This record gives sequence, C-alpha cells and structure tokens, in this order.
Amino acid sequence: DAGVIQSPRHEVTEMGQEVTLRCKPISGHDYLFWYRQTMMRGLELLIYFNNNVPIDDSGMPEDRFSAKMPNASFSTLKIQPSEPRDSAVYFCASSFPGTNSPLHFGNGTRLTVT
Amino acid sequence: GDSVTQMEGPVTLSEEAFLTINCTYTATGYPSLFWYVQYPGEGLQLLLKATKADDKGSNKGFEATYRKETTSFHLEKGSVQVSDSAVYFCALRTGQAGTALIFGKGTTLSVSS
Repeated sequence: DAGVIQSPRHEVTEMGQEVTLRCKPISGHDYLFWYRQTMMRGLELLIYFNNNVPIDDSGMPEDRFSAKMPNASFSTLKIQPSEPRDSAVYFCASSFPGTNSPLHFGNGTRLTVT
Repeated sequence: GDSVTQMEGPVTLSEEAFLTINCTYTATGYPSLFWYVQYPGEGLQLLLKATKADDKGSNKGFEATYRKETTSFHLEKGSVQVSDSAVYFCALRTGQAGTALIFGKGTTLSVSS
C-alpha cells in the first residue's frame, strides 16, 4: 500500500489567500483525521471523519477552516482567508475503527503564510 | 479529560547508552497506548503499541509496558544508535475520546557517536 498521501508537501502563500490541502487515505480505512503541528502547541486534532461523515470538528480553530470528505478516497482541508498564524505542518492520518487500531500518517504539508 | 504527559526534552545520549523516555496518561475507560517516532521532515510512524494492561509492545529494540497501576507507558531501549535521533510521541486512543489519538508533547532524542 502506498500509505496516506498528502499534497502539496510545501505551500507558501500570502496572507488573505485561499489554501487547499489534500489527502488520500489508505484504502479500506474508515477513519480520517486532520492534525496540525506547531512548536508552540504540539499536535492538535482539527477534525475527523468516519465513513466520510465529520464526527468532531471542535478542534477547527475558526470559521476560516473547513474540511470535506466527498468520498472514501479523498479529503480536503481549506483555509480561507489564510493568516500568518496558520503557518504549521498539517498532517492527515487514517485508520481502521477501534481503540486498538493505530493511525497511519502522511508526510504532512508544511504551510507558510507570509 | 484524557491526556498524556511526557518527560521534557531534549534527551542527549552517547551511542550505546540506555534510553528511557517517561510517559504517563490520564484516561477514563481502557485506552490503547502507542509510541510514535518522527524523523526530520517526515510524518509520524508507529513504533509500538499495547492494548491492555501488562502488555509489552516492542519494535526495533524499543520496548514499553502498559502499566495500569501507575498509568504509565515508558519507552526504553538498551543501546541507542545515532539513527535513533528523532522526536518520540506517546499517545493514547479511547472510545471516550471519539477514537482520535491524544498525543503528548513529544520528546526530542539526540544521539551522538
């Protein structure tokens, strides 16, 4: 299996621009997660989906952030408008259901907003 | 709420030294426990896991035992290598948390030759 695939690997954009991050989960995984990693706050859960349905979006910072999962093999995280404080590494992860199942992470998208 | 506490880093060791990274957790219910490793510029990789009390997870010379009585899951390795230099994350997963992983803040390990 190719693992979780994220694109782009790096994104540099100017404040106010729209940013779209993409994720392809591992085939057969029911759960998909979006995390954000910063030095100050560590790893934060933003949102997760089960069978393409958003289950918990309480970690989404504000209305500028939105996430969709139109089908089992694709998800997007959109920031509009972007701000410098959104600069971080954004990770997508997927898993089978169940407490015992580990999450499998993509290599992340490093976002820089200038 | 559920949480994970890791020892603060960085941890600096010489090659072949013994490694311990402490991890304790707070959780309602019966969590599964995980250690992940992150190399520079990469995503998180599962290192090992344990799913019930007294289970020992092991991989690549690393070990951790699920201790329910002390709510701990300390990571150990008998002889570290330079290639082990990375950031290590302890994490738990429970149904109470809606099945998302809850991470500690991570511990940076630096091994010199």
